[in-house]
Amino acid sequence: EAGVTQFPSHSVIEKGQTVTLRCDPISGHDNLYWYRRVMGKEIKFLLHFVKESKQDESGMPNNRFLAERTGGTYSTLKVQPAELEDSGVYFCASSQGTDNTEAFFGQGTRLTVV
Amino acid sequence: GNSVTQMEGPVTLSEEAFLTINCTYTATGYPSLFWYVQYPGEGLQLLLKATKADDKGSNKGFEATYRKETTSFHLEKGSVQVSDSAVYFCALKSPTSGTYKYIFGTGTRLKVLA
Repeated sequence: EAGVTQFPSHSVIEKGQTVTLRCDPISGHDNLYWYRRVMGKEIKFLLHFVKESKQDESGMPNNRFLAERTGGTYSTLKVQPAELEDSGVYFCASSQGTDNTEAFFGQGTRLTVV
Repeated sequence: GNSVTQMEGPVTLSEEAFLTINCTYTATGYPSLFWYVQYPGEGLQLLLKATKADDKGSNKGFEATYRKETTSFHLEKGSVQVSDSAVYFCALKSPTSGTYKYIFGTGTRLKVLA
């Protein structure tokens, strides 16, 4: 069974440009999460989807970030326009349930804004 | 609010040495505690977990005991191998912050030398 896959694995863009990250969750997982790790700091929650609905987007930094999950399958996270402080590793995770159900993480997308 | 504090790395050990990575937490209610590991080039993987006080999680020779009196969940291994080189993240889930949401520490990089 395929795990959580993220594309691209690395992205280097200039300040002011737009970048779109993609996450394909494990098939059948209704719950999808985005997290971010800024260099050397903790991994922080960004948002949570249940199917195509945003359940909690309290961790989204600002309105330059837009997450979508059309049809409740894959998800995209767009940053527009990108700023230097957006650099970091963006992780996606998925799970069947919530509570203490294990979430499975992708390998992350390393975003560098120069 | 809820938070996780873990020892800063990097931690460098020789093969077969004893490993301890300290983790303490602050949380209201009764959180569940986790250790995740990220091997080079891979995603986060659940290493072990404990859901209530005095529980011991164990996997691949690693152990951690949920200590409510000291609010700690230290990771230990009696004899590390080169293949254990990775970044280790302590995390919690708490009903007060949403049981779907992980609160992570900053991560501790472990390097094991042959």
